[in-house]
Amino acid sequence: NAGVTQTPKFRILKIGQSMTLQCTQDMNHNYMYWYRQDPGMGLKLIYYSVGAGITDKGEVPNGYNVSRSTTEDFPLRLELAAPSQTSVYFCASSFPGTNQPQHFGDGTRLSIL
Amino acid sequence: RKEVEQDPGPFNVPEGATVAFNCTYSNSASQSFFWYRQDCRKEPKLLMSVYSSGNEDGRFTAQLNRASQYISLLIRDSKLSDSATYLCVVNLGANDMRFGAGTRLTVKP
Repeated sequence: NAGVTQTPKFRILKIGQSMTLQCTQDMNHNYMYWYRQDPGMGLKLIYYSVGAGITDKGEVPNGYNVSRSTTEDFPLRLELAAPSQTSVYFCASSFPGTNQPQHFGDGTRLSIL
Repeated sequence: RKEVEQDPGPFNVPEGATVAFNCTYSNSASQSFFWYRQDCRKEPKLLMSVYSSGNEDGRFTAQLNRASQYISLLIRDSKLSDSATYLCVVNLGANDMRFGAGTRLTVKP
């Protein structure tokens, strides 16, 4: 079982460039999430999705977009990269329910210069 | 006030020591609670859920005090492999999870 797979693992972007961070899960989880983690800080929720075709904003959605066309995939798009978006990005998934833990991918380290 | 607050540490303890981490949360409507472990430059991994009556998993014991909005994690007989950052996580409902910044633990020989 692959679990949650994120690509790429590392990327350097120039200011103003765009890119898509890929996330796929094979656990048949309904819920998927995107977080960012800045040094010394807790994870902040960017966007989440409770199922295919449904997405919603988290705490820090500005500068990002998402789509959920299938249960398995939840890509995160940066349209106009800014230095403030330099961070580690984690995708996660879970079953519905408040007691369900989230399972994380191994992250994408993104630097914007 | 932060939604989830943890002592950032670092906690430096010898092998075999007992160490306790605390976490407070601000939203009284929080519905469920977890401890995650995060190794350096890795993803968070679930350590254990925290139940109202307290729960134990081997050397790890988690406690919840809803009245004081406080969660704790106790690690007994620390191992070198316990060195990591421990994240306190609170679910506000609708899968809205809020993460503490983490407490860093280093276990030394």
